[in-house]
Amino acid sequence: AQSVAQPEDQVNVAEGNPLTVKCTYSVSGNPYLFWYVQYPNRGLQFLLKYITGDNLVKGSYGFEAEFNKSQTSFHLKKPSALVSDSALYFCAVRDMLMYSGGGADGLTFGKGTHLIIQP
Amino acid sequence: DGGITQSPKYLFRKEGQNVTLSCEQNLNHDAMYWYRQDPGQGLRLIYYSQIVNDFQKGDIAEGYSVSREKKESFPLTVTSAQKNPTAFYLCASSVVGGAGATDTQYFGPGTRLTVL
Repeated sequence: AQSVAQPEDQVNVAEGNPLTVKCTYSVSGNPYLFWYVQYPNRGLQFLLKYITGDNLVKGSYGFEAEFNKSQTSFHLKKPSALVSDSALYFCAVRDMLMYSGGGADGLTFGKGTHLIIQP
Repeated sequence: DGGITQSPKYLFRKEGQNVTLSCEQNLNHDAMYWYRQDPGQGLRLIYYSQIVNDFQKGDIAEGYSVSREKKESFPLTVTSAQKNPTAFYLCASSVVGGAGATDTQYFGPGTRLTVL
């Protein structure tokens, strides 16, 4: 089974400071990892993904994420936060071992982290 | 949200009624998905389809039904058997890669269903 944990329900950061939103995962095989952002009453927007290769992944709007296999983590980061970054952030995982044989599909999502950037 | 449309944006249902949520995509994606979002619970997979005329149950399929008669369309029916249907429903689509693996999922704007 695959699972994702986002240990913080809410993260508060002052504008201009660096931000980190934490995500840990559990899979049987190799993970595909994703970050999405959701603004109120909107769908999810794709930010970035890790498939293989470089552990530091760069995505949209200046966000990046670092894949750490030993810690089974995929934390989302940004060097300087903007007020407009305030939103709900979701980490998601797909276990590639499950799909090589045509098994069940779909992403497993964390419960989300509210990011609040204070002016 | 571009390329995937969901309608209506808001939907109200009386208890005992079936309702159908629309999802259309013009991205030429083979795979389509339905998720349910409840506050504090993240997203949970209801149904998915990787090809026309074929679909699979997700984690919480009870009380829901789908069809995939066209590549572009994947409507979701919330039946009266779904005991707690009030939620935000999200449709997504993706390409399908080798060995059934799928790529990034792109989401529509969502439909908020409220049972009166």
